[in-house]
Amino acid sequence: TQLLEQSPQFLSIQEGENLTVYCNSSSVFSSLQWYRQEPGEGPVLLVTVVTGGEVKKLKRLTFQFGDARKDSSLHITAAQPGDTGLYLCAGAKGGSQGNLIFGKGTKLSVKP
Amino acid sequence: NAGVTQTPKFQVLKTGQSMTLQCAQDMNHEYMSWYRQDPGMGLRLIHYSVGAGITDQGEVPNGYNVSRSTTEDFPLRLLSAAPSQTSVYFCASRTGTSGANVLTFGAGSRLTVL
Repeated sequence: TQLLEQSPQFLSIQEGENLTVYCNSSSVFSSLQWYRQEPGEGPVLLVTVVTGGEVKKLKRLTFQFGDARKDSSLHITAAQPGDTGLYLCAGAKGGSQGNLIFGKGTKLSVKP
Repeated sequence: NAGVTQTPKFQVLKTGQSMTLQCAQDMNHEYMSWYRQDPGMGLRLIHYSVGAGITDQGEVPNGYNVSRSTTEDFPLRLLSAAPSQTSVYFCASRTGTSGANVLTFGAGSRLTVL
């Protein structure tokens, strides 16, 4: 059972465009993280959100945690080729030793 | 500061062979874990450990064994490899058991079972 549904699975855009990636679940999470992974490497943490309705900004990236803590979104403004990679959301449920449940990922390609 | 080190980076096995994927971290992290990553499946938790001498099963533990004799090392053993275990394996560690803490990943080990 996939508890975290990510969409879209693939996204190919031109440099300068905006995009949003969604991470949805019917379960409540105590925290949610977004990771970025490049080919041949392990995922690297971008951000952690823990409060319902929380919004965090990291340069051109904006992360939002849903009010009910069941969903999250990642918005990239004016995408650049350097944003290319696999974006993964991961949620932790209370009482689970902090084990993360990962979405299947969104593969983003930004063309110059 | 090396972080999380995984060896080997690449390995080819024949069905039925055994091998150990090594994972070491130098950050004194209590929590260590193994994931496998397959196309279209995301990352799935195999086994995890919250401290030396303590291990537990994740979502997909069948066919894999782990041990945690020291804080630094968390090897993953395949006793009798099967083609279904062809995957990229990631070891990850962090401080404590909060899912909100930073999970640091190794660079991965790509395993092919023929």
